[in-house]
Amino acid sequence: AQSVTQLGSHVSVSEGALVLLRCNYSSSVPPYLFWYVQYPNQGLQLLLKYTSAATLVKGINGFEAEFKKSETSFHLTKPSAHMSDAAEYFCAVSDKRDMRFGAGTRLTVKP
Amino acid sequence: GAVVSQHPSWVICKSGTSVKIECRSLDFQATTMFWYRQFPKQSLMLMATSNEGSKATYEQGVEKDKFLINHASLTLSTLTVTSAHPEDSSFYICSARDPITSYEQYFGPGTRLTVT
Repeated sequence: AQSVTQLGSHVSVSEGALVLLRCNYSSSVPPYLFWYVQYPNQGLQLLLKYTSAATLVKGINGFEAEFKKSETSFHLTKPSAHMSDAAEYFCAVSDKRDMRFGAGTRLTVKP
Repeated sequence: GAVVSQHPSWVICKSGTSVKIECRSLDFQATTMFWYRQFPKQSLMLMATSNEGSKATYEQGVEKDKFLINHASLTLSTLTVTSAHPEDSSFYICSARDPITSYEQYFGPGTRLTVT
């Protein structure tokens, strides 16, 4: 069975600082990996996805993630946090049957 | 891009009544749709997989008689919460599987259900 683990339920950074949100996956088949952002009372917005092409994936709003098979990781980064980045972030893994989500990481950005 | 809509976006109902939530794929045909439930400050939990023209597949612990799912067309799936109780209050999100890749899903904006 596939699953993802997000390390750190809450991450706090200062505006302008590096954002690093951690995600490790477990999958018996080559995984398809996703990062989503969710603002309060809204649905999910896709930030980026890994689909077995380039291991470094660039997404929207300056986010990127690197697929590391040896570490079974797909961490999300952004060089400089903005106040508008404050939200809940979910890592997800998919096969062609269904998608499973991590527990989520709440990002707080301090002025 | 692929768009999925949900209706209503929020609903308040009285305990013991039933409420229906619609999920539509607006610009593509979706043979498979999914229903998720999200409690406050928690992640999305898959409730069931809805396949057009066949019975839904429910995850362990989800009561199929309470959460009725119908996927009668390639663009519409409905979730009916029967005899709703306050503990059913939650954020319900649907998604539709990408018909080409199969591994990607497109998510609706969610429906906030409050049972009083």
